[in-house]
Amino acid sequence: GNSVTQMEGPVTLSEEAFLTINCTYTATGYPSLFWYVQYPGEGLQLLLKATKADDKGSNKGFEATYRKETTSFHLEKGSVQVSDSAVYFCAFTQGGSEKLVFGKGTKLTVNP
Amino acid sequence: EPEVTQTPSHQVTQMGQEVILRCVPISNHLYFYWYRQILGQKVEFLVSFYNNEISEKSEIFDDQFSVERPDGSNFTLKIRSTKLEDSAMYFCASSAEASYSNQPQHFGDGTRLSIL
Repeated sequence: GNSVTQMEGPVTLSEEAFLTINCTYTATGYPSLFWYVQYPGEGLQLLLKATKADDKGSNKGFEATYRKETTSFHLEKGSVQVSDSAVYFCAFTQGGSEKLVFGKGTKLTVNP
Repeated sequence: EPEVTQTPSHQVTQMGQEVILRCVPISNHLYFYWYRQILGQKVEFLVSFYNNEISEKSEIFDDQFSVERPDGSNFTLKIRSTKLEDSAMYFCASSAEASYSNQPQHFGDGTRLSIL
């Protein structure tokens, strides 16, 4: 069935380190892909999205590229900050369905 | 920036009681959703609502659940007879257009429901 597999956390990095959080999906057709972020004590916020193959979504220094050939949408950031500490969720929607299908989330902690 | 607001932030209820979770979606949005996240598990879709009717629901959304838009601003989730396994964080979301038109869903901060 449709699903999202995310890199198991937690991930702990030092400030200014490079971040990659892997995400692969199983879906039919041409899904739209999203990364959501949940800061401590807050709700889910849209971080970035990509709606077709080879699109790159970007926001706040984060990037992810829609790779249809590998069914992946890995999240990257070149230099993380303490304020990036949060839980990151990969998700998708696909044609004809309203629902977002989420991964389990990856908790990122960035130390000064 | 407009946001989705949910009340209460934490609800504690005895098993078997009815509970209503409340949401105020973003004002010009037309599509409304409920999701839940049981502790340590994935965020799961429950239901979507458009034009005063359910447009899609998951297998989780059985007869004990119902949704309503009682006025022009609120969107509620009712659980008729709560069970221990209903304990979870419940998220409301809204979007300007249908998700399959690639419009993102905007989420509230969630209501933590604890069933005793």
